[in-house]
Amino acid sequence: DAKTTQPPSMDCAEGRAANLPCNHSTISGNEYVYWYRQIHSQGPQYIIHGLKNNETNEMASLIITEDRKSSTLILPHATLRDTAVYYCIVRVGVESGNTGKLIFGQGTTLQVKP
Amino acid sequence: GAVVSQHPSWVICKSGTSVKIECRSLDFQATTMFWYRQFPKQSLMLMATSNEGSKATYEQGVEKDKFLINHASLTLSTLTVTSAHPEDSSFYICSASDRGKGDFGPGTRLLVL
Repeated sequence: DAKTTQPPSMDCAEGRAANLPCNHSTISGNEYVYWYRQIHSQGPQYIIHGLKNNETNEMASLIITEDRKSSTLILPHATLRDTAVYYCIVRVGVESGNTGKLIFGQGTTLQVKP
Repeated sequence: GAVVSQHPSWVICKSGTSVKIECRSLDFQATTMFWYRQFPKQSLMLMATSNEGSKATYEQGVEKDKFLINHASLTLSTLTVTSAHPEDSSFYICSASDRGKGDFGPGTRLLVL
């Protein structure tokens, strides 16, 4: 799986959009971009994933650049409960034999401030 | 959505004893489950892949005789920390995959005295 690079930490004001970047310059054509987050002392939580197109769900939006070498996770209206470590992970999809194995990097610690 | 549970949520044991942690997929069948370990202020580290009906696959540096994994059914995998020592104190998290996206248990905090 391709390696990802994320800033170690970011701050965001409550109610504002939080934009978390991720670089994955060695991503392959069949690799998806996945985002998870881990709130303190809990198991990681799936947020969103995408291949080429931008994706949106009830939690967040994922913007993937046209060359797929980077992406941005957007939390449109951050709340204090969004304070967590956010992990960007690149891996192949189910159709390519992905069994769910995830290799975690260091992630970005997002601190949402009042 | 898919739910993964773990039991116990926390355990304190004496050095030298063995501790078993259960991981269950509650609403889907998982032929493959994963076990992670996380030390304070560090990221999750993959320990092993648990395969239903066959031997687990361990990551480099993880002692298979120390961390026994049994995946006897499509909804249950167990991790046994044998002869636990204080350095085994950690947060143990399991994961199962429903349609590939990966769902995680709430974790088990182990403290070895």
